[in-house]
Amino acid sequence: EAGVAQSPRYKIIEKRQSVAFWCNPISGHATLYWYQQILGQGPKLLIQFQNNGVVDDSQLPKDRFSAERLKGVDSTLKIQPAKLEDSAVYLCASSLDVTGADTQYFGPGTRLTVL
Amino acid sequence: GESVGLHLPTLSVQEGDNSIINCAYSNSASDYFIWYKQESGKGPQFIIDIRSNMDKRQGQRVTVLLNKTVKHLSLQIAATQPGDSAVYFCAENRSTGFQKLVFGTGTRLLVSP
Repeated sequence: EAGVAQSPRYKIIEKRQSVAFWCNPISGHATLYWYQQILGQGPKLLIQFQNNGVVDDSQLPKDRFSAERLKGVDSTLKIQPAKLEDSAVYLCASSLDVTGADTQYFGPGTRLTVL
Repeated sequence: GESVGLHLPTLSVQEGDNSIINCAYSNSASDYFIWYKQESGKGPQFIIDIRSNMDKRQGQRVTVLLNKTVKHLSLQIAATQPGDSAVYFCAENRSTGFQKLVFGTGTRLLVSP
């Protein structure tokens, strides 16, 4: 079974530029998560989708971050404009369902460096 | 504020030893806990989980212990191998109805041959 796919793996941009990340979850997984992991810290949830609907985006900086999952499968996360403090690894995860004890499977992440 | 944290940022052990990684949590309402392993350049990998109605769960070479009285979670790795070297995170589910994980800051496990 293929895992969660993410691209690109690495991205370097200058501050105030925009960037987009792509995620393809495990086939059949209804729930998709985007996390931000700053160096030396644990992942922090940004947004959570159930199919193509948003379940939780309470920690998403909506003035600059946006995400969509239009057809309930792939998802994109965008930052516009980027700030220095956005430098982090952006992780995508998926789970079969959104219930409390469903295992989340993570992709390899996209490492973003903002100069 | 409420948080999930780890007591030891780095743990160094010899190959073959047993390792114990600890985690403290502060939200008594959390009902589900998970341990993840993260190797350099990779995403977190699920190791083992435990529900709040249990106090112990065993997997292959790993055991998770949950002490709700003192809000403490531990991961025990038996016969630690060099391939176990990684950062280990505990996470707690703080939401009812749907899963919302809060991760701790991680413990780095270094295994020497």
